[in-house]
Amino acid sequence: GEDVEQSLFLSVREGDSSVINCTYTDSSSTYLYWYKQEPGAGLQLLTYIFSNMDMKQDQRLTVLLNKKDKHLSLRIADTQTGDSAIYFCAERIVGGFKTIFGAGTRLFVKA
Amino acid sequence: NAGVMQNPRHLVRRRGQEARLRCSPMKGHSHVYWYRQLPEEGLKFMVYLQKENIIDESGMPKERFSAEFPKEGPSILRIQQVVRGDSAAYFCASSPPTAGMNTEAFFGQGTRLTVV
Repeated sequence: GEDVEQSLFLSVREGDSSVINCTYTDSSSTYLYWYKQEPGAGLQLLTYIFSNMDMKQDQRLTVLLNKKDKHLSLRIADTQTGDSAIYFCAERIVGGFKTIFGAGTRLFVKA
Repeated sequence: NAGVMQNPRHLVRRRGQEARLRCSPMKGHSHVYWYRQLPEEGLKFMVYLQKENIIDESGMPKERFSAEFPKEGPSILRIQQVVRGDSAAYFCASSPPTAGMNTEAFFGQGTRLTVV
């Protein structure tokens, strides 16, 4: 079955890079997503990658995908205090309708 | 184009009461999904609906929970005889008819249910 796992906490200093890691189990063609959730708020889609891609860059965000190890990472360059939030890794099989979420990584940014 | 609209944003119910959560999908979207987020956890799929049809409800608890998406009006997630364990954030998402090929389901802001 599908399963998504991620580390629960990450603490970085303002200006440093943050790297949030995620592993998934499904071998099918999938979309892999990163969502951001601020306290008391909904989900904001940050970026996504299709499973036949290795990397995607969008301004301060870089997504790396290692298909062999089923490992996904999100790198945030020049992390700011406003980046403090919970980051969810999620996957959805192509042609499927169910998005499987990890438990979320809580990013703390110290000024 | 307004996003996915959920109301209320916050709902407090006493044990044994009913909770009704509403979701209006984005314009042009005919697929609706409900997810539940328990405290300190990720989102768990509950149910997938298209207009007037439940497509998959494999994540719905067997009792007390029901969902509908009528031809007119919002999708409703209904929880009867609420218990404290139902306290959670309930998120709705929607996607257009080409859901299988689409890259994204758009999420609402969620309804935070507190059972006292």
